Amino acid sequence: QKEVEQNSGPLSVPEGAIASLNCTYSDRGSQSFFWYRQYSGKSPELIMSIYSNGDKEDGRFTAQLNKASQYVSLLIRDSQPSDSATYLCAVNRDNAGNMLTFGGGTRLMVKP
Amino acid sequence: EAQVTQNPRYLITVTGKKLTVTCSQNMNHEYMSWYRQDPGLGLRQIYYSMNVEVTDKGDVPEGYKVSRKEKRNFPLILESPSPNQTSLYFCASRQDPYGYTFGSGTRLTVV
Repeated sequence: QKEVEQNSGPLSVPEGAIASLNCTYSDRGSQSFFWYRQYSGKSPELIMSIYSNGDKEDGRFTAQLNKASQYVSLLIRDSQPSDSATYLCAVNRDNAGNMLTFGGGTRLMVKP
Repeated sequence: EAQVTQNPRYLITVTGKKLTVTCSQNMNHEYMSWYRQDPGLGLRQIYYSMNVEVTDKGDVPEGYKVSRKEKRNFPLILESPSPNQTSLYFCASRQDPYGYTFGSGTRLTVV
């Protein structure tokens, strides 16, 4: 079983819709959770971090964490074609947060 | 501009020829790390460093060495590269409690 799992997609949504990206993890001791966006040929870019159960909102992005169910999700409201990218979920494996394990990523396509 | 700088961006080398990929950050971050990214395998951590002279293995350290003599620099050394080390490499740095900031990447081909 992979430590961090994501549906590889592609997830296709129309412009203006809500995109919902999901991630499950296996280590119950994980404390830090991150969402990265990676455009084709570019480096991963940190877009959200979340550390406690519940929702965290930043602009059009909302991260949701449920430690009991071991899942993290990312909602993108009012999706734009420029949001088309691969979204990577990352989970820490150590208390210091230095050992990050990444999921395989979900490719999101936002169609005009 | 706050950034993580890697060099070179592209490198083609031959099997067995030692090489170093440099990484430098200007954000005074304590923590640095190296990842490789391969199709179907995603991002995998090679080594990380918690501070000067403090390094530890990640998930795929075999065939790699690192050093952290100064806070800003964290070079990745391949003593005897092999074709299975052909990959896209990323250096990253972070400061508590935030996530990693990644460099632009180094695409390495070993023939």
